[in-house]
Amino acid sequence: DTEVTQTPKHLVMGMTNKKSLKCEQHMGHRAMYWYKQKAKKPPELMFVYSYEKLSINESVPSRFSPECPNSSLLNLHLHALQPEDSALYLCASSQGTAGEQYFGPGTRLTVT
Amino acid sequence: GEDVEQSLFLSVREGDSSVINCTYTDSSSTYLYWYKQEPGAGLQLLTYIFSNMDMKQDQRLTVLLNKKDKHLSLRIADTQTGDSAIYFCAGSSEQKVTFGTGTKLQVIP
Repeated sequence: DTEVTQTPKHLVMGMTNKKSLKCEQHMGHRAMYWYKQKAKKPPELMFVYSYEKLSINESVPSRFSPECPNSSLLNLHLHALQPEDSALYLCASSQGTAGEQYFGPGTRLTVT
Repeated sequence: GEDVEQSLFLSVREGDSSVINCTYTDSSSTYLYWYKQEPGAGLQLLTYIFSNMDMKQDQRLTVLLNKKDKHLSLRIADTQTGDSAIYFCAGSSEQKVTFGTGTKLQVIP
């Protein structure tokens, strides 16, 4: 099973809302990632978790708050977002932090 | 940080071979990858090559790596309409994967 699942598929939220994106993998991978992808652009790394600990934060604004409750789950908590945060949010996982990453289908986020 | 460049667009006829090129700046990448992204979908890992290899073949896909010129290519043999997508090359180094700018492959029936 090389599947990474993400929920919801689509999310529309206002600038005052609080919502969460969820990601799950059951491949026993110990590294998990959040990426942001704008239209016609490559994914941009946001956060890296290694063995359930945050190892990289790419200077992401605090309105994005990641959480790794266990080795299979990764959440991204959203609060007070801006319209420019509208994008496809991709989760990925890998065996370690140097190997190939497997991506989920993404959550299409629209901030109104 | 690493810069990874790709040409923006490639158009080929169905049945022909496609060659997508990528140049990168950071020679310390351990692995180099090719990902495929169809509209509205996530990234699908197609293949990867370890940095000490020159070539890898996997069915219709051939990856060539020229470390001296920092050049990576993906050849798709017998290109099909289902191959139409955006293709990203990527390199990994120190927990990070840096993606290229992406090449949109259009396959003409």
